[in-house]
Amino acid sequence: SQQGEEDPQALSIQEGENATMNCSYKTSINNLQWYRQNSGRGLVHLILIRSNEREKHSGRLRVTLDTSKKSSSLLITASRAADTASYFCATDGWETSGSRLTFGEGTQLTVNP
Amino acid sequence: EAQVTQNPRYLITVTGKKLTVTCSQNMNHEYMSWYRQDPGLGLRQIYYSMNVEVTDKGDVPEGYKVSRKEKRNFPLILESPSPNQTSLYFCASRSTGYTDTQYFGPGTRLTVL
Repeated sequence: SQQGEEDPQALSIQEGENATMNCSYKTSINNLQWYRQNSGRGLVHLILIRSNEREKHSGRLRVTLDTSKKSSSLLITASRAADTASYFCATDGWETSGSRLTFGEGTQLTVNP
Repeated sequence: EAQVTQNPRYLITVTGKKLTVTCSQNMNHEYMSWYRQDPGLGLRQIYYSMNVEVTDKGDVPEGYKVSRKEKRNFPLILESPSPNQTSLYFCASRSTGYTDTQYFGPGTRLTVL
């Protein structure tokens, strides 16, 4: 079953605005990762936040993690049309055979010029 | 250049005709996995491998086989494909470090008639 669940499923904003996407998960994790996917292409890793971290930045990206609420958010500031893509969160939790990444269904972000 | 390659990128086949999708990575990663992506269902893990000769089922393994005879290769085998296996398939790899990210291949779009 899917561990992470993104919210909203779709988001449409104007260029220059900020975009916030949320992710909730159910079980304990080692880290949480955000990925981006352009239509029909492979996923590209954006940022990883460890379970003992609360906030992380990378360029225009800001990720927060609240392990007590089992949730994370991805903020893209000053969005651009090129940010249009699907964004997925993935949780990394240890299974008996080693760690596994479990993905949510993604948020489709559209940035209108 | 560090990368995960998949072949073929596109495949149209008929029910019951055995096929193999190859996956290769050049990063000496221990961990490799296969996902399928379907509309409304996100990415679901089919099989994963922690190292050579170590494979394990993911969330949707039925109808698929894998092998890991060499570290760099992780082929996905469909012994008797059916139309419900029409999907977009992604191979991925990463090291097994605690904070390592996952690298994705470009995807294989499979249609089973």
